[in-house]
Amino acid sequence: SAVISQKPSRDICQRGTSLTIQCQVDSQVTMMFWYRQQPGQSLTLIATANQGSEATYESGFVIDKFPISRPNLTFSTLTVSNMSPEDSSIYLCSVGQGSAGNTIYFGEGSWLTVV
Amino acid sequence: AQSVAQPEDQVNVAEGNPLTVKCTYSVSGNPYLFWYVQYPNRGLQFLLKYITGDNLVKGSYGFEAEFNKSQTSFHLKKPSALVSDSALYFCAVRDEGNTPLVFGKGTRLSVIA
Repeated sequence: SAVISQKPSRDICQRGTSLTIQCQVDSQVTMMFWYRQQPGQSLTLIATANQGSEATYESGFVIDKFPISRPNLTFSTLTVSNMSPEDSSIYLCSVGQGSAGNTIYFGEGSWLTVV
Repeated sequence: AQSVAQPEDQVNVAEGNPLTVKCTYSVSGNPYLFWYVQYPNRGLQFLLKYITGDNLVKGSYGFEAEFNKSQTSFHLKKPSALVSDSALYFCAVRDEGNTPLVFGKGTRLSVIA
């Protein structure tokens, strides 16, 4: 299994600021996904980040609000821009490798509170 | 497009009793089904998955799940519940295209001593 480290683990952010979340994996992976989990809710996919190409965003999420970088096969960042209280969520990095049957693993998440 | 339904927001069970957490799915092709657990203030932990083969899949912490193609279900089960099993459980599905996981809304399991 992959070991995924996310930073920061928690943060309290001021309205209007931006925060970058880092995701580091202990092995090279082809696919990385960023999810959001709003309080008491399920996980919603923000975007798929593949190395060497631009991220693919899901409906309702845009690059200006959630810019993503994927400079290599072990690292990705998600920035939450111009934050509002509605952005208070857990942001989770996940990784997949190979075929569709392979397990997708998750980091511990970054718990953001916007005040 | 694939989807997952977890019909129960909350399941309560007494310690030592069997538990079932329900999940039904919809995919266009062959399903790849997963169960994850989220303990308070933690990320998601992988429990088990169904890819192909035996319909009964065994996973971590004594959990198992039964794949039923005709009913498009993948219910999570455990013969004897523990208080420490109390957590939020998510069923997820992806199709053959190596697409991202799609999650159900989650079921909160409460095991009472």
